[in-house]
Amino acid sequence: ELKVEQNPLFLSMQEGKNYTIYCNYSTTSDRLYWYRQDPGKSLESLFVLLSNGAVKQEGRLMASLDTKARLSTLHITAAVHDLSATYFCAATNNNDMRFGAGTRLTVKP
Amino acid sequence: EPEVTQTPSHQVTQMGQEVILRCVPISNHLYFYWYRQILGQKVEFLVSFYNNEISEKSEIFDDQFSVERPDGSNFTLKIRSTKLEDSAMYFCASNPGHNSPLHFGNGTRLTVT
Repeated sequence: ELKVEQNPLFLSMQEGKNYTIYCNYSTTSDRLYWYRQDPGKSLESLFVLLSNGAVKQEGRLMASLDTKARLSTLHITAAVHDLSATYFCAATNNNDMRFGAGTRLTVKP
Repeated sequence: EPEVTQTPSHQVTQMGQEVILRCVPISNHLYFYWYRQILGQKVEFLVSFYNNEISEKSEIFDDQFSVERPDGSNFTLKIRSTKLEDSAMYFCASNPGHNSPLHFGNGTRLTVT
């Protein structure tokens, strides 16, 4: 069974700092996704990573994928308060998308 | 922009009752999913549906649960004989194909009393 693990689960950052969230998955996965969820809201897609070495960037967020290590990272550059949310990675095997436990990010002034 | 819609937004039911959660996926999407999330915790996969049949289901999706696509637009999740631990936010999602991210609805908050 495909298992997805994220760390850290909780992350408190100061504005302007950099940090990386890690996502490991247990078996060969077709694709890797990152989602954002604001409190009480639904999940919003951030990135889709389809191949080894894939890197995607949007604003202060950059996601990468290493399929050999079964590892994806979400790097936050110069964090701002608006980035405070829970970030989930998800991996797929056939038609089965499994989510990590989520990283609750709080960015403080 | 097209979106996945779910109804109701909040459902309260008594233990042992049956509930049906409804979803209208995005019209040109082919794959449909149900997930649940207990109080802001992990997003748990329940089932995926393609070509009018279940393609994958998790260990959570036991005989208490069933899904149906009764017409060309609706996708429903039925929970029979609800238990207290079924209280959660249930999200429906869809996507047009394997390489696409999931588009999530706003969820139905199910409260079992």
